Amino acid sequence: EPEVTQTPSHQVTQMGQEVILRCVPISNHLYFYWYRQILGQKVEFLVSFYNNEISEKSEIFDDQFSVERPDGSNFTLKIRSTKLEDSAMYFCASSEISKGNEKLFFGSGTQLSVL
Amino acid sequence: EDKVVQSPLSLVVHEGDTVTLNCSYEVTNFRSLLWYKQEKKAPTFLFMLTSSGIEKKSGRLSSILDKKELFSILNITATQTGDSAIYLCAVGNNAGNMLTFGGGTRLMVKP
Repeated sequence: EPEVTQTPSHQVTQMGQEVILRCVPISNHLYFYWYRQILGQKVEFLVSFYNNEISEKSEIFDDQFSVERPDGSNFTLKIRSTKLEDSAMYFCASSEISKGNEKLFFGSGTQLSVL
Repeated sequence: EDKVVQSPLSLVVHEGDTVTLNCSYEVTNFRSLLWYKQEKKAPTFLFMLTSSGIEKKSGRLSSILDKKELFSILNITATQTGDSAIYLCAVGNNAGNMLTFGGGTRLMVKP
């Protein structure tokens, strides 16, 4: 079965540093998402992306965050100046059709630790 | 703000037992409710429900939605140790793309 792949699986960074989390969505999917899960807390929506632009974002997704689809396969999440509270598991997801609340396929996540 | 509450928080059963996991929600302009299984990392899709009263089944798992009472249940019969996981419920609305997740139910199945 096709899958969403994420790299790296773990990322440790110093506070204030920039990080880029990478994702390769399923090839025929058109809608891409980032979610995050702080340890012990709920999975939270960050942003959705379609047709090379953000279609929806949450309050968490402030100016420190950005997303990009630099080529035909990768989808990235950049955090410009990381804070301690950015430590979380970041999940990329993709779906074939509109309205992200249809069947989402999640990647295995990137565990980000900000020290 | 959409809200999803799952119960119980955690559950320990023995192999062969049947379990029922609950999900209640408050959402404006409801579109769908989804169940996911989270073992080590990535949530994996189980069911998507949009209509009341229609049971979805996949092997030993089944789920049903009640849009009047705003809840869903996930049943697992004849549980196996491989069913041990966190089960997540999420809802989506027609206003946008995001899913709102509940806190999950942690299920442990002992041999």
